[in-house]
Amino acid sequence: EPEVTQTPSHQVTQMGQEVILRCVPISNHLYFYWYRQILGQKVEFLVSFYNNEISEKSEIFDDQFSVERPDGSNFTLKIRSTKLEDSAMYFCASSEGQVAPGELFFGEGSRLTVL
Amino acid sequence: RKEVEQDPGPFNVPEGATVAFNCTYSNSASQSFFWYRQDCRKEPKLLMSVYSSGNEDGRFTAQLNRASQYISLLIRDSKLSDSATYLCVVNGRDSSYKLIFGSGTRLLVRP
Repeated sequence: EPEVTQTPSHQVTQMGQEVILRCVPISNHLYFYWYRQILGQKVEFLVSFYNNEISEKSEIFDDQFSVERPDGSNFTLKIRSTKLEDSAMYFCASSEGQVAPGELFFGEGSRLTVL
Repeated sequence: RKEVEQDPGPFNVPEGATVAFNCTYSNSASQSFFWYRQDCRKEPKLLMSVYSSGNEDGRFTAQLNRASQYISLLIRDSKLSDSATYLCVVNGRDSSYKLIFGSGTRLLVRP
């Protein structure tokens, strides 16, 4: 069964450092997303990406965040200068079509710990 | 008012029980509705989409009431493996790209 893969599974970093989280979406999917979940809290939308550009972003997705699809397979989330409050599980997701009525497939997540 | 509101639980039920979860959403313009399941420290996985006419998938039945902005999930004949957090999810206010997640309802099925 095709799946979304994410690396690393866990990253520990110092506050102020740059972090890049990587994702390989399902190959025939056209829409890509990043969500995050702070421990004990709900899943929150960060950004959606289609046709090599951001289609929507949330208030959380400020200038410290960026996304890129550097080649035909990878989709990355960069946090330029990490803060303590960036500690969370970051989920990449992809879908074949737009969310409605399509199905969103999530990767297993990358746990980011900022010290 | 929260965009998507759920009873956090936990619901602690014996195997074989029937359990129902409810969810309310604030945006009357939402068009897409889902139930996702999330196991501890794992990714959310789609359980089922929710349609206006109601839909059933095995032991799971989902209902939508647009007038009341209310979504429900019924699980019949609970299994130990049903123990998880159930997330009510709707699409965002202005766009179909964004999913809004509820905080989830935790289910514990005991032997």
